[in-house]
Amino acid sequence: DIQMTQSPSSLSASVGDRVTITCRASQDISNYLTWFQHKPGNAPKSLIYAASSLQSGVPSKFSGSGSGTDFTLTISSLQPEDFATYYCQQYHTYPLTFGQGTKLEIK
Amino acid sequence: QVQLQESGPGLVKPSETLSLTCAVSGGFVSTYYWSWIRQPPGKGLEWMGYIHYSGITNYNPSLKSRVTMSLDTSKNQFSLKLTSVSAADTAVYYCARDTAMQHWGQGTLVTVSS
Repeated sequence: DIQMTQSPSSLSASVGDRVTITCRASQDISNYLTWFQHKPGNAPKSLIYAASSLQSGVPSKFSGSGSGTDFTLTISSLQPEDFATYYCQQYHTYPLTFGQGTKLEIK
Repeated sequence: QVQLQESGPGLVKPSETLSLTCAVSGGFVSTYYWSWIRQPPGKGLEWMGYIHYSGITNYNPSLKSRVTMSLDTSKNQFSLKLTSVSAADTAVYYCARDTAMQHWGQGTLVTVSS
């Protein structure tokens, strides 16, 4: 199975900050990577697909980059509603696998 | 706006079969692939498999012998069955659209306990 490793596991930031989360795949997955946001009790929300394409309706403060094995999710100008857990997921090879998550907390 | 909603028993006895359904609105199950994912308490996300309306299925090898997925176009829903459950199958179960998980349900907690 492809292992997806996210860093950091948790992150404290302030409203207005810009943060970056990284995701590393244990083998080349091209750009078959998605990022999503999860708040407790809510449906996870897809943010980015194909590593850098913004899902419809998602604000441009979210951006993704990378290819191969190394990927990043950047969130600019943090707002209170952005504090959540973020996951990456590869859909290049079965079984599909997820990162362990990055919990973004308010400082 | 595509919406997915999981439903099913919240408590299942050990060795029995877990059965869940995912109702789809704002779209049709006769398109795309439809996945099930689960997350045990305090643990990571595990993709369980997908079903396509053509009948094609692809299951995670870790569950392959115990999992069955089906799809009902007349009700616009798809289903999961997991046999011979144990406490290790206690988890929040999610349904999602496609392999890139573009849309998710909010999840349903299933506890395996006698």
